[in-house]
Amino acid sequence: KQEVTQIPAALSVPEGENLVLNCSFTDSAIYNLQWFRQDPGKGLTSLLLIQSSQREQTSGRLNASLDKSSGRSTLYIAASQPGDSATYLCAAGEAAGNKLTFGGGTRVLVKP
Amino acid sequence: NAGVMQNPRHLVRRRGQEARLRCSPMKGHSHVYWYRQLPEEGLKFMVYLQKENIIDESGMPKERFSAEFPKEGPSILRIQQVVRGDSAAYFCASSPGGPGLPQHFGDGTRLSIL
Repeated sequence: KQEVTQIPAALSVPEGENLVLNCSFTDSAIYNLQWFRQDPGKGLTSLLLIQSSQREQTSGRLNASLDKSSGRSTLYIAASQPGDSATYLCAAGEAAGNKLTFGGGTRVLVKP
Repeated sequence: NAGVMQNPRHLVRRRGQEARLRCSPMKGHSHVYWYRQLPEEGLKFMVYLQKENIIDESGMPKERFSAEFPKEGPSILRIQQVVRGDSAAYFCASSPGGPGLPQHFGDGTRLSIL
């Protein structure tokens, strides 16, 4: 059974600092790894999707890496801004059907 | 280009009543997933459906919960005889296909049981 863990659970940084969010999963037989952002009372916004055959994906200030062998993914957010404050979730997609197993999230606060 | 639409956004029910949650996938998407987020817990998979078929319901509670995705109309998550423990945010996601494609989420339905 897949288990996904995100550490730390909460993170507070000053504006401009780079953010590093960690995600680990127990079963390396994933199909993909997806990172989401969730604002309070809102749904999930998809940020990046990394296929199992890929090592990383980039979009603007966001970069996500994937190391299947060690069961880890990392989301980097460069030059953080107060608008980046949110909860970030990673989710491992399984091969059969692509149902997602979510981590508990990292709650990020970027202080102006 | 509407995203995944869920309604209602908020639903209040008394214990023992029925709750019906609706999800209209993005245009062109034929795969629907339901997830539940209990207070202070992460999102948990409930069920995966394609048009007129339940593909994987391994996350659904054995009793009182059912889901459907008819040929026409939205997907429905139905909870019969609700209890306080059903209070949660229920999210629907859709994708155009199966493995490898990103899931797009709706804003969720917040269900409160009095």
